[in-house]
Amino acid sequence: GVTQSPTHLIKTRGQQVTLRCSSQSGHNTVSWYQQALGQGPQFIFQYYREEENGRGNFPPRFSGLQFPNDSSELNVNALELDDSALYLCASSLLNEKLFFGSGTQLSVL
Amino acid sequence: AQSVAQPEDQVNVAEGNPLTVKCTYSVSGNPYLFWYVQYPNRGLQFLLKYITGDNLVKGSYGFEAEFNKSQTSFHLKKPSALVSDSALYFCAVRDMSWSSASKIIFGSGTRLSIRP
Repeated sequence: GVTQSPTHLIKTRGQQVTLRCSSQSGHNTVSWYQQALGQGPQFIFQYYREEENGRGNFPPRFSGLQFPNDSSELNVNALELDDSALYLCASSLLNEKLFFGSGTQLSVL
Repeated sequence: AQSVAQPEDQVNVAEGNPLTVKCTYSVSGNPYLFWYVQYPNRGLQFLLKYITGDNLVKGSYGFEAEFNKSQTSFHLKKPSALVSDSALYFCAVRDMSWSSASKIIFGSGTRLSIRP
């Protein structure tokens, strides 16, 4: 399955954070979503074969990496209070159904 | 722009009764629709999808969804609800405006509560 770490994280405004994801074996696509409290997940970006190939309405301080070993990262710089949310990683074969991890709950104080 | 709407924040059903969770969509072109479920402290789990073909789609855990093109709806249904079905349900649509990416647009979610 898809695993994410850490499960919970507390940061202060202005700091930087790195969230990690291990995709399901064999999946070539990883996407990241932000789920604010009481809302549906919002697409941040997608990586296919280690390159970003799609991005939602998020600023450049949200960036990512995808590695050949089925792992990936979401990096957020200059954290803001509104970045507090559940961050979900999802892996898939391109254009197929998404397999989600349990998420990382980020709190920015 | 592609979008989905879930008009009900919460649906309450007695165990054993049929349930319906509503979803309407707005897309340009043919829709590619999904239902996902989210249990507490868990990620989203795929239930079913509609691409083309039969308007009644069967999915996991006894759920099914009915695609209605004239009403632009994709309601989730189950003939007999279980207490264990209590969770947060999301309708979603694939944004087909990008040729090389599969961006999924989620609705705001409907909390389903099944009482014993």
